[in-house]
Amino acid sequence: SQELEQSPQSLIVQEGKNLTINCTSSKTLYGLYWYKQKYGEGLIFLMMLQKGGEEKSHEKITAKLDEKKQQSSLHITASQPSHAGIYLCGAFRYGGYQKVTFGTGTKLQVIP
Amino acid sequence: DTEVTQTPKHLVMGMTNKKSLKCEQHMGHRAMYWYKQKAKKPPELMFVYSYEKLSINESVPSRFSPECPNSSLLNLHLHALQPEDSALYLCASSQVGQRYSNQPQHFGDGTRLSIL
Repeated sequence: SQELEQSPQSLIVQEGKNLTINCTSSKTLYGLYWYKQKYGEGLIFLMMLQKGGEEKSHEKITAKLDEKKQQSSLHITASQPSHAGIYLCGAFRYGGYQKVTFGTGTKLQVIP
Repeated sequence: DTEVTQTPKHLVMGMTNKKSLKCEQHMGHRAMYWYKQKAKKPPELMFVYSYEKLSINESVPSRFSPECPNSSLLNLHLHALQPEDSALYLCASSQVGQRYSNQPQHFGDGTRLSIL
């Protein structure tokens, strides 16, 4: 089965600083999600990557997929308290529907 | 506001009770999912329904019984649960078919379940 390891496990940054979260897969990545979760709540969709080398941005968040390294990174520029939460990567293979395996998660705290 | 609605938000039940979790979406999605999430752990897939038929059962104990009565609704019937079943139960939905392969799963806010 596919395993996804995220690093770091937790991160505390000063507001305004940049940060990067990594997601490394034990197997080939065909498709990858990035989601954000507030404690005890549902997952908020951030980004979906499907092609090697693909890079997507939304507001101050950029995600890249390096299929050769079986790795994805999520970069936040000029972090804000609203960015705080748990970031989850999720690998999937598309077979009509999506069977997703989630990573171990990264907890982000942003200090004002 | 989420487009996938789960009820109830919180549920406390005894080990001999029977209860149901409900999930509803009106986005026209034909795949629906149940996930279980323990504290400080990622969500784990339990069941997938595609076109109202069970496609995946990830070896879930029979005390969890899913049901998809129509394309908008997904239920999870609970019976004789154990304390270790206490968790956040998340429902998600997505489109089905290759033309929709670039569209994500949408999640509800979950039901926080506590077994006494």
